[in-house]
Formats: sequence, C-alpha cells, structure tokens
Amino acid sequence: KQEVTQIPAALSVPEGENLVLNCSFTDSAIYNLQWFRQDPGKGLTSLLLIQSSQREQTSGRLNASLDKSSGRSTLYIAASQPGDSATYLCAVMGTASKLTFGTGTRLQVTL
Amino acid sequence: DVKVTQSSRYLVKRTGEKVFLECVQDMDHENMFWYRQDPGLGLRLIYFSYDVKMKEKGDIPEGYSVSREKKERFSLILESASTNQTSMYLCASSLVTGGKNGYTFGSGTRLTVV
Repeated sequence: KQEVTQIPAALSVPEGENLVLNCSFTDSAIYNLQWFRQDPGKGLTSLLLIQSSQREQTSGRLNASLDKSSGRSTLYIAASQPGDSATYLCAVMGTASKLTFGTGTRLQVTL
Repeated sequence: DVKVTQSSRYLVKRTGEKVFLECVQDMDHENMFWYRQDPGLGLRLIYFSYDVKMKEKGDIPEGYSVSREKKERFSLILESASTNQTSMYLCASSLVTGGKNGYTFGSGTRLTVV
C-alpha cells in the first residue's frame, strides 16, 4: 500500500527566505505527483503536476522536482511572502487514477 | 475557468438524518471522487466513480453511499448521519487515467452532525 510522508509537518520562516518542502512515497509505480495548496477551511488548489516521465515543473516562484526511483519530491518556494502561508500537500497518482495524499506541511511566512 | 462546485460550504444536520452532499463539475471529466479530511488523518477516499452509474469503494466507504446518474454530478449520501461523520468533505474530478491529468477539487463542505 502506498504511503506518502511530508517533512516537516510545520515550518515558520521570515519573509523573503527560500524554502524547500519534502515529500516521500514508498511505491515508485506512479503516474504523476501533484502539489496542492490548502488555505484554512478551504478546498485544495493545484499548484504543480509532474508526470512520472518528468524531472521537474516550474510555475512562477515555485519549482517541483521528482525522483521517482528514490521515491522523493521537493517543492521549492523562492522569495517567500506572507501570502504563501498555507498547508501544502503532495499526492501521488497510482493505479485507477487514485490519489494518495501526504498529511501536509503547514507553512507560516512571517513579516 | 474550469470548476468543481459543491453545493454547500457549511451544513449542520442532526443524528439519524439522511444527508445529501452534491458535487458538479463542468469539465466533462470521467472520474469523480469523494474524500473526507480530518485533523491528523489527512484526506481519505470514500468513494469514486469512473463513469455514469459506476461506483467503486474507497478506503472508508462504511456509512456512505453515492450516486452518479449524470456525468457531471456525483452525490455523496449519508444514510443515517452520525457524530463521527462530522468532517470536511471534498469532491474532486479528473480525466481518465494518465500521467498528464491531475485532480481538480471543489471548495469543500464542512459538515457538522449534532
């Protein structure tokens, strides 16, 4: 059974810092990996999707990498801003289009 | 802009009531999913559907049923609501299996059973 782990569970950084969120998964037989953002009490917003054949994807200040063989992904956020404060979830897609989620990293960016 | 719409943001229901949570997507997606999210437990899959009138159990189907009579609509039904079903419920949709296709989520329904 696929297991997805995110470290750290919580992170607080001052504005302007670059930061890395980590995601690991136990079964490398995945179709893709998706990073989501969730604000308190809200739904999930997709940030980046990396197909299994890809190594990384970029969107603005966000860069996600995927090393499928080692079961790892990182989400890099450059020049963090208070508006980046949220919970970040990674999820891997296995068979039957089913996603398995990590429990998330709660990020706070302080002024 | 493509959307997954959940009919209610907040619901309060009494124990024993039959509860319907509705989800509609406008992207012509084949797959639709219902998750619940609880602190410390993350997102857990309740049911999913690959096509109209088709349904599959997820990891925690007990106490729930679903209906998909039209491609764009996927309903979650709590046959007799209980307090342990108080949770955030999230609906999602995706195209058929394939590495290019991710999920799109709705904004969630916060259900409280009293």
